[in-house]
Formats: sequence, C-alpha cells, structure tokens
Amino acid sequence: DTAVSQTPKYLVTQMGNDKSIKCEQNLGHDTMYWYKQDSKKFLKIMFSYNNKELIINETVPNRFSPKSPDKAHLNLHINSLELGDSAVYFCASSQEKGPGSGNTIYFGEGSWLTVV
Amino acid sequence: SQKIEQNSEALNIQEGKTATLTCNYTNYSPAYLQWYRQDPGRGPVFLLLIRENEKEKRKERLKVTFDTTLKQSLFHITASQPADSATYLCALDRQAGTALIFGKGTTLSVSS
Repeated sequence: DTAVSQTPKYLVTQMGNDKSIKCEQNLGHDTMYWYKQDSKKFLKIMFSYNNKELIINETVPNRFSPKSPDKAHLNLHINSLELGDSAVYFCASSQEKGPGSGNTIYFGEGSWLTVV
Repeated sequence: SQKIEQNSEALNIQEGKTATLTCNYTNYSPAYLQWYRQDPGRGPVFLLLIRENEKEKRKERLKVTFDTTLKQSLFHITASQPADSATYLCALDRQAGTALIFGKGTTLSVSS
C-alpha cells in the first residue's frame, strides 16, 4: 500500500492554464505538506496543514491555493500557470509529536509539472 | 534566517570505502537533525534522526554525528556499495511550525 500518493505523476500544460494536484495519505498522520523541488534540486516548503488547518504558508504566490477537505487529503490548485512554476511538487505527511520530538516526514513520489 | 549547507554537490568514491557527507547550519539551534535519501525520480526517504543531546547515531552501515558547537552533522556510509548511489539530504526543524528545511543535497556516486 502506498503511504503518500499523489496524482498526476506527470503534467504538461500551457502557460495560463489552471491545474490541480491531488494527494492522499493513509498513515493516519495529522500534518500534511506541499514541497517544491526546483531544477537545482532544492526542496522548499510551500504549505503545511495540521488537521485541515493551514499552519505554514511560505511566501508562495496566491496563484497557489491548497485545500484540505480532511486530514488525509491535501490538494494543490495552481491558477494561471507560469513557466517558472515548472518543478517537481512533493506531497508529504508527518505525525506531530510535539516541540523538539522530531517529526519524520513521509514523501510521495512527486508530481512533475512542466509548463510550456 | 536559518541556513543549511551541504558541503559538496557531488561525491565520488570507490566501492568499499567510507563516504562522509557534511551538513552545516547557521542562525539556529535545532532540536534535531535528520538525513534523507533521494533516488532519481523518487521522493526523499527518511534514514536517520539525531537529537541535539546525542553525539552519534548508528543504523547498520550508516552513522550520523551531531556537533552543536560546530553546528555541523556528519553522515557516514561505511563499506559503501553502488546501491548507495543517491542524493542525500540533511534537514532540520524550522524555528516555527513542524516543517523541515532541507539542504540542497549531496549526490553520492559509488563506483565498483
């Protein structure tokens, strides 16, 4: 069973389009994330949700809108796609253990977005 | 702001040797530090976590050290194998929130 699954794995779309990436985790975790990995392989946090509540919004353009219908799902919708949005988007989850306890993050396999 | 650096983008070693990867951080005192492995086309996978009060952690052929004075972690793979070839990322907890911040990674290539 896949712990963190995201779809689609590959997405090629034109500039200006709107697209969504879906994510589901079956680990029972209460925290989910979206990370972006750019062409230089730098993995950067975009959003974090805890029990459907937005915790972290890391200076991401408001064209990116995450939605968490329940704690097992976190979707990412992107409006008016730009060339610079081309990257790999990773969904992830963890179980909050409290400050200083070490939250191990479980990643999905990534969604390769190419904007042409 | 927090900054995390991995000393080299690429490391090439021969099979059987020990690989040592370095992670340095500034402007923060993390409660713990983690190491992840990422294979091409895959998501990162957790390997080891070490807490600020631990000097060393081992798991099979892997060893991690954490020096809070130097603000540095070393990641060792002993008796390296070609299957160890991957990108290794270090990560530490943010000052606020539960997300981790990641270094850019070191790509290890082990040749037979």
